[in-house]
Amino acid sequence: DGGITQSPKYLFRKEGQNVTLSCEQNLNHDAMYWYRQDPGQGLRLIYYSQIVNDFQKGDIAEGYSVSREKKESFPLTVTSAQKNPTAFYLCASSRSAWEGGGELFFGEGSRLTVL
Amino acid sequence: QKEVEQNSGPLSVPEGAIASLNCTYSDRGSQSFFWYRQYSGKSPELIMFIYSNGDKEDGRFTAQLNKASQYVSLLIRDSQPSDSATYLCAVNGRDDKIIFGKGTRLHILP
Repeated sequence: DGGITQSPKYLFRKEGQNVTLSCEQNLNHDAMYWYRQDPGQGLRLIYYSQIVNDFQKGDIAEGYSVSREKKESFPLTVTSAQKNPTAFYLCASSRSAWEGGGELFFGEGSRLTVL
Repeated sequence: QKEVEQNSGPLSVPEGAIASLNCTYSDRGSQSFFWYRQYSGKSPELIMFIYSNGDKEDGRFTAQLNKASQYVSLLIRDSQPSDSATYLCAVNGRDDKIIFGKGTRLHILP
């Protein structure tokens, strides 16, 4: 089945530790995204990538880092510099806009709790 | 700062009535517009997308776009209890940067 796989689904970490969230897609999509969602809020864009080996900052990139070494993979690292990392993290992918894309396919999300 | 604005609600609508959800956006260069439904604790799922001015219908759902007014709406006809969820408006600019509004919580009253 085609889709997006995020792992882990739940993650607990101590304050000051870096955490890496995995996101893998087999939809052959060029574009991939990371969003953060806090309780009762919408989705805020952290980073996005339109093509392998390239990515752009979203609206709340501070304290986060990403890589895009393969088309299928777009891991997100939550660093110790992120002041309020506890949140629900969503990864998504889509075809590029020039291919008529824009519809986002989401993974099931990763819920990070920093103790 | 490019923004997408939605009324947070909650919007309460009787079962069987029409629910009307609204969204405004600030970037005039935006090219495509999306409505997602999100149940509590779950990922968003696509309901409708629209690229051109006017109306687009799909079953009980109608999306409306007015680029001159920078306004997009979603109408849900014959509202059902299962429609109770948060509805997220999303806008795609020229650079594939997809921005979401904060969402509108919809409650369908039995």
